[in-house]
Amino acid sequence: DTGVSQNPRHKITKRGQNVTFRCDPISEHNRLYWYRQTLGQGPEFLTYFQNEAQLEKSRLLSDRFSAERPKGSFSTLEIQRTEQGDSAMYLCASSSRTGRADTQYFGPGTRLTVL
Amino acid sequence: GESVGLHLPTLSVQEGDNSIINCAYSNSASDYFIWYKQESGKGPQFIIDIRSNMDKRQGQRVTVLLNKTVKHLSLQIAATQPGDSAVYFCAENMGRHGAILTGGGNKLTFGTGTQLKVEL
Repeated sequence: DTGVSQNPRHKITKRGQNVTFRCDPISEHNRLYWYRQTLGQGPEFLTYFQNEAQLEKSRLLSDRFSAERPKGSFSTLEIQRTEQGDSAMYLCASSSRTGRADTQYFGPGTRLTVL
Repeated sequence: GESVGLHLPTLSVQEGDNSIINCAYSNSASDYFIWYKQESGKGPQFIIDIRSNMDKRQGQRVTVLLNKTVKHLSLQIAATQPGDSAVYFCAENMGRHGAILTGGGNKLTFGTGTQLKVEL
């Protein structure tokens, strides 16, 4: 399967702990996006990378959140000092600038539960 | 702010009937629209897309209609099957206009979704 992959699929943590999620995009895609989705809502944009450059960040991305894509391939999203309000599904998507209409393809997500 | 929204939160149809899921958008600068299907516990799955220079596009059992005059998007599913049961989201982005504003990004703005239930 050459789709977007995310790890872990589920993460349960205690409030105040740090967590890190990983996303591996489709191999030829140079654009990578992070979204957050809460129950019953559509995904909300967090941040965007083109190759290794982080080009856009949402106001939702507080200073406790940091994302990296050091080599322009996989990306990590770290949340420091987690809060209960961080509980959500964290989705990664990738697309290709040269691809058709820059369609974003999503991974299965990482479900975060903060106790 | 501008947003994408859906008219109905839940749609129930009989197996074999056609389904129509509607979406309203308010950002006149949007020029690319996508429908995604999301099953429980999974990420959104691309179904079909359409650019603003088109008003209709067909795929396998699915058709997307775009009415720019009233800023309305719809997804039609023919001969609905139990496997079509899921939440459907429309999403929009500003395409090239958005790229100029943000430096290359094409972030998607999603609505809240419509739950499609297929009854046997």
